[in-house]
Formats: sequence, C-alpha cells, structure tokens
Amino acid sequence: AQSVSQHNHHVILSEAASLELGCNYSYGGTVNLFWYVQYPGQHLQLLLKYFSGDPLVKGIKGFEAEFIKSKFSFNLRKPSVQWSDTAEYFCAVSGGSQGNLIFGKGTKLSVKP
Amino acid sequence: EAQVTQNPRYLITVTGKKLTVTCSQNMNHEYMSWYRQDPGLGLRQIYYSMNVEVTDKGDVPEGYKVSRKEKRNFPLILESPSPNQTSLYFCASSQRAGKNTEAFFGQGTRLTVV
Repeated sequence: AQSVSQHNHHVILSEAASLELGCNYSYGGTVNLFWYVQYPGQHLQLLLKYFSGDPLVKGIKGFEAEFIKSKFSFNLRKPSVQWSDTAEYFCAVSGGSQGNLIFGKGTKLSVKP
Repeated sequence: EAQVTQNPRYLITVTGKKLTVTCSQNMNHEYMSWYRQDPGLGLRQIYYSMNVEVTDKGDVPEGYKVSRKEKRNFPLILESPSPNQTSLYFCASSQRAGKNTEAFFGQGTRLTVV
C-alpha cells in the first residue's frame, strides 16, 4: 500500500530563513507527487505538482520541490520564508490505476515576524 | 468560475440524527472523493467515485455512505452520526482517475457531533 511520511510535525522559523520540508513516499510504480498548503481556516490549495520530466518543480509563491526517485523523496523548499507562509503543508502521492490521493500527516509551519 | 462547493460549511448535530453533506463540482470531472481531516492524522479518504454510479471505499469508510447519481454531485451521508465523526470534511474532484490529474478541493465542512 502507498504511504507518505512527512518528517516534521511543526517547524518554527524566523522571516527570511530558508525552508525545507521533508516528504518520503512508499510506492514501487510511477507516481504523481503534490504539495498542498492550507492557510488557517481555509481549504487546501495546490502549491506544486510533479507528473514527469524535470525533477525540480517550481510552484506558486516561490516554492519549489525536488523529486529524487532513488530516495523516494519530494522535499519542499523556499529560500526565504515570509510571515504569510504560516500554514500547514501536506505532501500527497497518487499512483496506480485508480490514482487515489494519499496524504502525509502534514507539517505546521509557523513563521515569526 | 471552476469550483467545488460543499454545504454546509459548519454543522453541529446530535448523535444518531441522520445528516447529509452535499458536494457539487462544475468542471465535468469524472472522479470525486471525500476526505476527513483530523489533527495529527492528515487527510484520510473516506469514499471515492470514479464516475456516475461507481463508488468505492477509501481508508476510513465506516459510518459513512455516498451516492453518485449525477456527475456533478457526490453527497456524503452519515446515517447515525457519532462523536468520533466530529471532524473537518473535504470533498475533492479531478478530471479523471489515474495519473497526471490534480485534485480540486471544496472549502470544507466542519462537523461537530454531540
């Protein structure tokens, strides 16, 4: 069965610090990978996605992620966070014929102004 | 505007009183699904539907029912709600099942069962 691991439950950073959130998945076949963001009290919004091609994916709001197939990883990065990036971030993977989306448990990011 | 619409946004109910949360999408998507979000557990899939009249269980289907009579609608039914179903629920849709398709989420329904 597919599963997704997010290494950090809660990350606290100061503004302008660099961010890297870890995500590992388990699935032997071809996968699609996603990062979603959930701002306080809001629904999930897609930050970026990887289907195929260049393993370095750029998303909205200056976020990027790198797919490393050999490590089954899809870590999210941002060079310089802002207070407005305070949110919960979810890594998700889909694979197989049905393509059901499996989520990690989420990482809360708190950015101090 | 392309969107997934859930109603109601907030609901407080009592144990055992049947309720339905509606979900509608205007993108002609084939695939729809329901998730529940609980602190520390992320989102877990309850049920999904690959097309009209085709539904299947996700990871946590107990206590829930769904139907897909029309392409645009995918209601979630709690026949006899219990306090452990207090949660934040999200409906999602995507163009099709399978690869190379992204999910669009509704605004969420916060359900409290007392």
